[in-house]
Amino acid sequence: DQQVKQNSPSLSVQEGRISILNCDYTNSMFDYFLWYKKYPAEGPTFLISISSIKDKNEDGRFTVFLNKSAKHLSLHIVPSQPGDSAVYFCAAGGGNKLTFGTGTQLKVEL
Amino acid sequence: EAQVTQNPRYLITVTGKKLTVTCSQNMNHEYMSWYRQDPGLGLRQIYYSMNVEVTDKGDVPEGYKVSRKEKRNFPLILESPSPNQTSLYFCASKWGGGGLSSPLHFGNGTRLTVT
Repeated sequence: DQQVKQNSPSLSVQEGRISILNCDYTNSMFDYFLWYKKYPAEGPTFLISISSIKDKNEDGRFTVFLNKSAKHLSLHIVPSQPGDSAVYFCAAGGGNKLTFGTGTQLKVEL
Repeated sequence: EAQVTQNPRYLITVTGKKLTVTCSQNMNHEYMSWYRQDPGLGLRQIYYSMNVEVTDKGDVPEGYKVSRKEKRNFPLILESPSPNQTSLYFCASKWGGGGLSSPLHFGNGTRLTVT
C-alpha cells in the first residue's frame, strides 16, 4: 500500500525551462512534506519542505506547492539547470514517521 | 565536516553469512534510521532509533537487527542474509527535536548483494 506516490518515474526538461515534479499522498493525517534530491552514488539530500498550514514555500529556484484537498504536492524548479539532473523523492509524514515516494528521475538537457 | 558515514560502500556475500553494516554520525543527532532503496519501491524504513538504547521497527524490519549503544553509532545487522535483502541501504540521522521539520542527513549508501 503505497501511501506516497510519484507517478512519473522520469522527466526530461530543457535547460532554462520549468521542471514540475508531482507527488500524491493518501493519508490525510500527513502534516509535513519534504523533497529530497539524490545524485548517483550519493545519499539523498534535503531540498525543501512545507507544513500543512501553508500552501506554498519558496527557496531560490525551488518552490513547493501543497494542495491539501487534492492530497497533492508539486516541486517547481525554475529555471532548470543541468546540475538539477538527479532523482527527486517526495516524502510525507506526521509525528516522527516519514514515508517516501518512489522517486522521479529528472534529466535537464542542454 | 558534518556527515553520516556508512561502511562498507559495496558488499557481496552469500546466503546465511552474518554481516554488519556500520553507520556513524558526527552531528550529535539523537535520531538515526536505516532505509533500503529498491526499484519501484522508493525508500523504505527498516529500523529507527530515537536515542541511545531506544530502537523501534520501521516498515520492513524482517531479517534485520539494530543496536544503539552509543549516540553516534547505529549498526545494521543481517544475521542470516537472503537474496531478497539485496538492495541499496542508507543510514540517516537528524536532530531529535522539531519532528519532521528537522530534515534527515543521509550517508552515501551501501550496496549489498546476497547470492
